[in-house]
Amino acid sequence: GAGVSQSPSNKVTEKGKDVELRCDPISGHTALYWYRQSLGQGLEFLIYFQGNSAPDKSGLPSDRFSAERTGGSVSTLTIQRTQQEDSAVYLCASSLLGPGANGELFFGEGSRLTVL
Amino acid sequence: EDKVVQSPLSLVVHEGDTVTLNCSYEVTNFRSLLWYKQEKKAPTFLFMLTSSGIEKKSGRLSSILDKKELFSILNITATQTGDSAIYLCAVQHNAGNMLTFGGGTRLMVKP
Repeated sequence: GAGVSQSPSNKVTEKGKDVELRCDPISGHTALYWYRQSLGQGLEFLIYFQGNSAPDKSGLPSDRFSAERTGGSVSTLTIQRTQQEDSAVYLCASSLLGPGANGELFFGEGSRLTVL
Repeated sequence: EDKVVQSPLSLVVHEGDTVTLNCSYEVTNFRSLLWYKQEKKAPTFLFMLTSSGIEKKSGRLSSILDKKELFSILNITATQTGDSAIYLCAVQHNAGNMLTFGGGTRLMVKP
């Protein structure tokens, strides 16, 4: 597709369960970001992938959160043993880096996670 | 620690009013400042500012950056109900293009 695609768009889960959120970035974009947005709040940085470099995981709130990016394209954000405070919209974004690229981020529609 | 602060937190105006949204920042390795509009889900890009004093303009929206005082403003003239949204300010770092976002300003434009 032409834009960043995220799935599922909505996920309701029970406390303690694991969830996986998927992001398919724009083709050719080398940088991929995960952000979290709680109700009425700004965007909180979680993790950043750039090409083959080691990801910047400095924003992950706990070791229950992990993410991987396979083949430099699709990324999966995994939350283990979900807690109610994990409820938020998880936004994925990608950007094109390289000569002439301005670094603008293109966002997906987000995955709304509700932990009961 | 990098910080981006937006004000006001929320704003209610009537159609036709002019609004000014503020964004101040304290970041290391500043590269640029970006404004996004978020209506329902995905934030959409408005402006990228890299140089002080140069106004960016798109229709009724305009923005300017002051790198000495470390702030930016977003102006919206002749507001319309379709301008109702959360406006997000973000600062881009030199390292890896990562963005640090402010908390956003929620704008509501009443008919």
